[in-house]
Amino acid sequence: GDSVTQTEGLVTLTEGLPVMLNCTYQSTYSPFLFWYVQHLNEAPKLLLKSFTDNKRPEHQGFHATLHKSSSSFHLQKSSAQLSDSALYYCALSGGSSGNKLIFGIGTLLSVKP
Amino acid sequence: DAAVTQKPRYLIKMKGQEAEMKCIPEKGHTAVFWYQQKQSKELKFLIYFQNQQPLDQIDMVKERFSAVCPSSSLCSLGIRTCEAEDSALYLCSSSQDWGWDTGQLYFGEGSKLTVL
Repeated sequence: GDSVTQTEGLVTLTEGLPVMLNCTYQSTYSPFLFWYVQHLNEAPKLLLKSFTDNKRPEHQGFHATLHKSSSSFHLQKSSAQLSDSALYYCALSGGSSGNKLIFGIGTLLSVKP
Repeated sequence: DAAVTQKPRYLIKMKGQEAEMKCIPEKGHTAVFWYQQKQSKELKFLIYFQNQQPLDQIDMVKERFSAVCPSSSLCSLGIRTCEAEDSALYLCSSSQDWGWDTGQLYFGEGSKLTVL
């Protein structure tokens, strides 16, 4: 079945530095890829989603590029803010596992002053 | 933002008791997903409904849980016999146009189950 891999459990950054959270996936077909963000004691919310026309999604300064050749959808931001501290999930749907949304284990981003 | 409502927010059960959690999807949303989240980490897929019909679920749900969407405005997730390992936050989410470019899931705040 399909799977999503997020290699870093915890990423600690100083405010102002660039952010890059890794996400790779395995799927027989061409799935949709997502990034969801969950702030402390809140529900997960959609941050970004890949498009079928290969446009690069951007939101709140974050962007991600779907690279089918390397099966990756890394999340990037040029300058981290304190408010970016949260749990980030990469997720996949529409692959060989059908329409269910499969999440990675999540990466906790901690931004320090 | 869409509003998915979950009740109760917290429930405490003894081992062996039955538990039930309810979810009111956003109006007009036809897809409903349930996830289990332990210790603020992994979001584990449990079951997926489309137009009130269950389309996919994991074995654990088939064996020990009961999940239904009797109407487009109400879904429920039940555990027939609670075990300690069931202690978790149960998140319900819904979507209006799941499977298309614009499809996204909107999550409720969850029902936190503690099994003693």
